Amino acid sequence: QVQLQESGPGLVKPSGTLSLTCAVTGASVSTTHWWSWLRQPPGKGLEWIGDIFHSGTTYSTPSLMGRVTISVDKSKNQFSLTLTSVTAADTAVYYCARDLPRREAAGESWGRGILVTVAS
Amino acid sequence: SSELTQDPAVSVALGQTVRITCQGHSLNFNFAGWYQQKPGEAPILVVYGQNIRPSGIPDRFSASRSGNTASLTITGAQADDEGDYYCNSRDTTGDFWVFGGGTKLTVL
Repeated sequence: QVQLQESGPGLVKPSGTLSLTCAVTGASVSTTHWWSWLRQPPGKGLEWIGDIFHSGTTYSTPSLMGRVTISVDKSKNQFSLTLTSVTAADTAVYYCARDLPRREAAGESWGRGILVTVAS
Repeated sequence: SSELTQDPAVSVALGQTVRITCQGHSLNFNFAGWYQQKPGEAPILVVYGQNIRPSGIPDRFSASRSGNTASLTITGAQADDEGDYYCNSRDTTGDFWVFGGGTKLTVL
């Protein structure tokens, strides 16, 4: 059974860069699945950030375009998120997730999430 | 278009049937996925595609679609079904995922 675990700093300064990693166990990132990053501001709804295939093909939500980089490290069986120029509006619980093959559905399996606060 | 609209809150009596809806232009071309989220927990995918339930999801959860509206139906709601429900689908380009704002389900 696949398990995902987010890791990274829980506090980032405004205008700084948010960097998170998702370690995948129980499955290889080099399968037919896609791998997503999503977030949820406190008390608000879900927002999809972007996803990646093991080939390196990525998609990112237009609302964050230019600030988001998603990468995959097959040797470490993990994938990562980088979000630049953060503001308080980027404060959220960040989730990584495994999607279904062929992007048939997002978020088939989720990590537990990590709260990232943007504050000085 | 990249917007999906859900009612903020819905309630249902224990054991009765409830339908949660999601509207958006992209649903004319794409099926919706539905997620259940309880406080402090990660979401769980409960139904996707043409009414497909992941392993372990009870068969009281079902999905349908008509025009620009997708629906999640819970037949015989249980107390454990309380939570927030989110729909999502690909947008009209097919490249990006979008979520609805969520519906808070209360089981009375």
